[in-house]
Formats: sequence, C-alpha cells, structure tokens
Amino acid sequence: QKEVEQNSGPLSVPEGAIASLNCTYSDRVSQSFFWYRQYSGKSPELIMSIYSNGDKEDGRFTAQLNKASQYVSLLIRDSQPSDSATYLCAVPLRGAQKLVFGQGTRLTINP
Amino acid sequence: EPEVTQTPSHQVTQMGQEVILRCVPISNHLYFYWYRQILGQKVEFLVSFYNNEISEKSEIFDDQFSVERPDGSNFTLKIRSTKLEDSAMYFCASTLQGVVYEQYFGPGTRLTVT
Repeated sequence: QKEVEQNSGPLSVPEGAIASLNCTYSDRVSQSFFWYRQYSGKSPELIMSIYSNGDKEDGRFTAQLNKASQYVSLLIRDSQPSDSATYLCAVPLRGAQKLVFGQGTRLTINP
Repeated sequence: EPEVTQTPSHQVTQMGQEVILRCVPISNHLYFYWYRQILGQKVEFLVSFYNNEISEKSEIFDDQFSVERPDGSNFTLKIRSTKLEDSAMYFCASTLQGVVYEQYFGPGTRLTVT
C-alpha cells in the first residue's frame, strides 16, 4: 500500500457544483493532514490543514478527516474555473521529519 | 504576509557542474526543507534541517547534495556534480514548529541540466 494515495483523475466538475477529492494514508497514527493546491508550473500552496476527526471549514473549502478509516477528503463548494488545479494531499508519517505527498488529483472546473 | 523566497527562478547548467539553489525561509520559522518535483511526478522529500543540522534525508539526497544555513536568513541546497536526472523543480519549505505543522513552500527553482 502506498503511504499516501489519491486518485490522479482528471476530475471534471461543472462550475458551481461541489468538487470532492479523496486521500487515503497508510500510517494509522498520523496526526496532521494537509491539502495543497498546485497550479501548473507553480509551487504547492497550502489551503487546508486538519488535525482531528470531523469537518473543518474555511470559506468554500471543507476538509473531512476519518482516522479510523485512514481517510481525508477535501470538498470545494461553488466550484469556480480558478479552482482548476492539481490538489495534493500531504501527511507527515510517524517519526519522520518530512511530508509525504500523494500523486495529486487534477481537477478541472468547466464553465 | 511573510513568504518563502527562492532564487534563481530558473537555472540552466551543464552536466557535471555545481549549482547552488538559494532560499530565504519565513523569518521566525525554525524547520527547513527541500523537496523536488520531476515534471509530471509527485513532490518528493529531499532533506529536513533544524538547529543547524540535517534531521532527516531521503535516498535521493546522496553525497552529491549538501545543505547549509550560512547566515540567519539563507538556506541553500548545493548539488556538486549535476546529472541529467537532477532536472526538476526544487522547492524550499519552512515551518514554525516541526513537520506536524503547516509547511509553506517557496515558488521553486526550475533546474535544467543539459
């Protein structure tokens, strides 16, 4: 099993709809989880962090964490064309001094 | 808003040459990282640095790589003898209190080895 796994997509969503991005991780004692947005040719930009089970909302973004299922997701409400990017899930593994990234999910919002 | 900066934005070098990539982390951050991303691939960890020493390094970070914090603001990655496969985007990142907290990435340096 990969340490951090994402569906690479592409995921295509109509403008105004909800985009749902998923990530699973292998280390069941991981404590923190991050979502980054990466536009083509640019660096990862931190958009959400989540540390405890449940939902965390920030504007149009909601991160959801289920540690029992080792699953973290990102919902984007009212999707805009500017949300078109690759979304990276990143998890620091127990005892490690590094972030492990998933492959990323490419999201396209269609006007 | 404080941000991580990196220079140069693009570096072209010949195989076998030495390159130094420079980063200025966010000023009050204590933990520093280098990652790289080969075109079309995922972001890969290279090295973490805290209290003036390496705290972890990946298999990629062999003897050809080194890091240094020469003063209170800069953090550098040196590749002594570049190979074609070193061509990638190199990202510097920093965080205030360690890896379980938010890491902020710089804009990256695109390294092209010819």
